[in-house]
Order: sequence, then structure tokens, then C-alpha cells
Amino acid sequence: DAKTTQPPSMDCAEGRAANLPCNHSTISGNEYVYWYRQIHSQGPQYIIHGLKNNETNEMASLIITEDRKSSTLILPHATLRDTAVYYCIVRVGRGAQKLVFGQGTRLTINP
Amino acid sequence: NAGVMQNPRHLVRRRGQEARLRCSPMKGHSHVYWYRQLPEEGLKFMVYLQKENIIDESGMPKERFSAEFPKEGPSILRIQQVVRGDSAAYFCASSQGITSYEQYFGPGTRLTVT
Repeated sequence: DAKTTQPPSMDCAEGRAANLPCNHSTISGNEYVYWYRQIHSQGPQYIIHGLKNNETNEMASLIITEDRKSSTLILPHATLRDTAVYYCIVRVGRGAQKLVFGQGTRLTINP
Repeated sequence: NAGVMQNPRHLVRRRGQEARLRCSPMKGHSHVYWYRQLPEEGLKFMVYLQKENIIDESGMPKERFSAEFPKEGPSILRIQQVVRGDSAAYFCASSQGITSYEQYFGPGTRLTVT
């Protein structure tokens, strides 16, 4: 699986958009970008995934650059409950495989 | 649809005892994964199982740790002769398998070895 690089921490004001970057310059053509988050000590929560097109769901949007070497997770209207560690993971798409977690980005939403 | 269930949520064991952690996957899921999170560290993959089969155990410590996912009942992660370094949060995840993109995680079991 390709290695990802994320900033260790970020802050965002409540109600604003939170933009979390991820670099994955060695990503292969068949690898997807996944985002998970871990709120406090809870189990990780799946957020979104994508291959090359931008994706949006009820939780977030995922913007992948054209060369696929980086991506940005966007939480459009951050709330205090979005404070968590966010993990960007690159792996082959469908298929039952392990997730390789890096250190992630600790996002703090401030009131 | 109930999510992934883990029990117990908290487990305290003395050094040398055995710890048994249980995981019931989401309904319809036949693939189970175990991950460990040591204090102040990231999540590390341990083992991936399908019903009655271990598919990938590349993250399992060589000794004292074992896992199973029987035809009937929950998946079990077993740690024999626990040591203080085993104190961690153990998370289970499940997926439908090769047709699914995401894994769904349980709330975890926090093991404390005294």
C-alpha cells in the first residue's frame, strides 16, 4: 500500500469548512483513497473513498488532484463533534484487505 | 441493523492470566479484522479472518496470541499469559468481503493488565 503524508494537527472554527490534506505521491493506478476518523477513543469510522473523481456524501467531500498524488477531505460545516483524528489511507479498492493506518491528522474544532 | 459488537468493553487481567475478546460482526458480514491500538499510538492490523479460516495473520505477535472465527458464534481474540505490554484497545472490524469497500468498526475492548 502507498504511503500517505498528513499534517499532524489542524484547527478549524466551528461552522467553517475544514480542509484536511493528504499526500500520496506513490499511489498506483488501481489504488483508492480512503478516509476514516477516530473520535476520542471510539472505533474508527468510515467517511468516504474515491479513485480519481471527486466524491461527496452526507458526511464530507473528497477532492483528488488530477495526477492523483494528493487529495483533500472537506467537512463543509464543521461542528464540535467533528473533533477527531482523521486518517487518509491508500489501498487497492474492493476486496477484503487490512487497513494500514498512519498517524493521521488531529483536527480540533474550536467554538 | 446492529453494528459490530465487542465484549467486554473493559477487561482487567493480572499478569499471566488469559484474556478472551469477542467480536460479533454486522449482520451479513463474513469477514472480520482485529486491530490493536497501544496507548498514544496508531492502529495496527493484527489478523484477518473469514468463517473458519485465517486469511492474513501478518500482524499477530508470534507467541501467546491467537484468533478464530468459527462457523457459529463470534470471533475470538485470545491472549495467553498476558503481560503489561498487552494493555491496549483492541478493535474489531467487519466487512462483507470482496464486494465491499469499507470496514465497520466496533467500539473496542480496553484491556488493562495489572
